[in-house]
Amino acid sequence: EAGVTQFPSHSVIEKGQTVTLRCDPISGHDNLYWYRRVMGKEIKFLLHFVKESKQDESGMPNNRFLAERTGGTYSTLKVQPAELEDSGVYFCASSQDGRNNSPLHFGNGTRLTVT
Amino acid sequence: LAKTTQPISMDSYEGQEVNITCSHNNIATNDYITWYQQFPSQGPRFIIQGYKTKVTNEVASLFIPADRKSSTLSLPRVSLSDTAVYYCLVGDTGATNKLIFGTGTLLAVQP
Repeated sequence: EAGVTQFPSHSVIEKGQTVTLRCDPISGHDNLYWYRRVMGKEIKFLLHFVKESKQDESGMPNNRFLAERTGGTYSTLKVQPAELEDSGVYFCASSQDGRNNSPLHFGNGTRLTVT
Repeated sequence: LAKTTQPISMDSYEGQEVNITCSHNNIATNDYITWYQQFPSQGPRFIIQGYKTKVTNEVASLFIPADRKSSTLSLPRVSLSDTAVYYCLVGDTGATNKLIFGTGTLLAVQP
């Protein structure tokens, strides 16, 4: 089966610009997660979709971040306007079951650099 | 809320057994505990998952005590290619399905 794919793999933008990240989960996976790694190793939760509904978006840093999953398939994460502290690697993951009872399958991430 | 702690880094030599522990308080009572491996420029990759006691697969073992306040990933006979960052992943308490990563342990395997 095809894995989780993320686009673009890298993005360099200036402060104040807008960037949209895309994630295509594994087909049939209802659960889709966004995570972010900043300042080294820690991977922080951003939000969780179940199909097209946001199950938990408590990790979204502020209202400059908007995630959507129209139709319950692929998802986008838009940052508008981008700030320097938004730099990091954004990971998307999908799973069949919710909670932690089936493994998460991760994409290779989008490295975002805001200058 | 769940809190997780892992050692920042560990060093080992090829052929040795490595044990990495994650301390996790206030995790969801009905969720599994999962461990992932991450190489540079890649997403985390599933290694092993367990609920209680001991689980073993072809690459690792996972030990979880009865109180589930920690878990230990055991890698038998590591090789250079096992150099990576290792994370535990646990479910947070509460009504939602938030899954929390540990702080990550960089394992460096020397020849």
